[in-house]
Amino acid sequence: EDKVVQSPLSLVVHEGDTVTLNCSYEVTNFRSLLWYKQEKKAPTFLFMLTSSGIEKKSGRLSSILDKKELFSILNITATQTGDSAIYLCAWPLGTYKYIFGTGTRLKVLA
Amino acid sequence: DAGITQSPRHKVTETGTPVTLRCHQTENHRYMYWYRQDPGHGLRLIHYSYGVKDTDKGEVSDGYSVSRSKTEDFLLTLESATSSQTSVYFCAISGKAYEQYFGPGTRLTVT
Repeated sequence: EDKVVQSPLSLVVHEGDTVTLNCSYEVTNFRSLLWYKQEKKAPTFLFMLTSSGIEKKSGRLSSILDKKELFSILNITATQTGDSAIYLCAWPLGTYKYIFGTGTRLKVLA
Repeated sequence: DAGITQSPRHKVTETGTPVTLRCHQTENHRYMYWYRQDPGHGLRLIHYSYGVKDTDKGEVSDGYSVSRSKTEDFLLTLESATSSQTSVYFCAISGKAYEQYFGPGTRLTVT
């Protein structure tokens, strides 16, 4: 059964800390991995990773994929209170279907 | 803003009543999806559509039906609402690659 597992389930840090969120996947036919940020409303798209070892960056956020070891990490440096959110990773099952992990809830304290 | 709206945004209904949620997009995207989000379960796919009148089941489709008669509208119907269907429902569309864009969500409470 295809499965996406995220860890930790929740995390509390202070502003300025660096965090690493993990997404491991047990899928039979890997295509790509997606990261989303969800604040109080709908998830918003962050990254899509298709190639192993290539880091994607957007400001203080970066993500990398390891296709051999079947995991991805999302790093957030110099965290701010605005980074508080649930971070979701997802894998597309074919062209139309997506399977999401349960998410990591990050809280950044001022 | 990916041009996705959902209606209603909040609804309280009684057990046994039918409920229809509407998703409307202005992006002319082919693929549309309905998810539910519950604590401890994350986002789970209910149904999806890959074109007008073309739909298929997701992982939690029991008790739900969908219809898509126009590209821009995707309807989700709870045929006879149950308390286990109390949830937040999100509609989504696919972008040019695999990324998805989500609507604002509908909070449904079944009493």
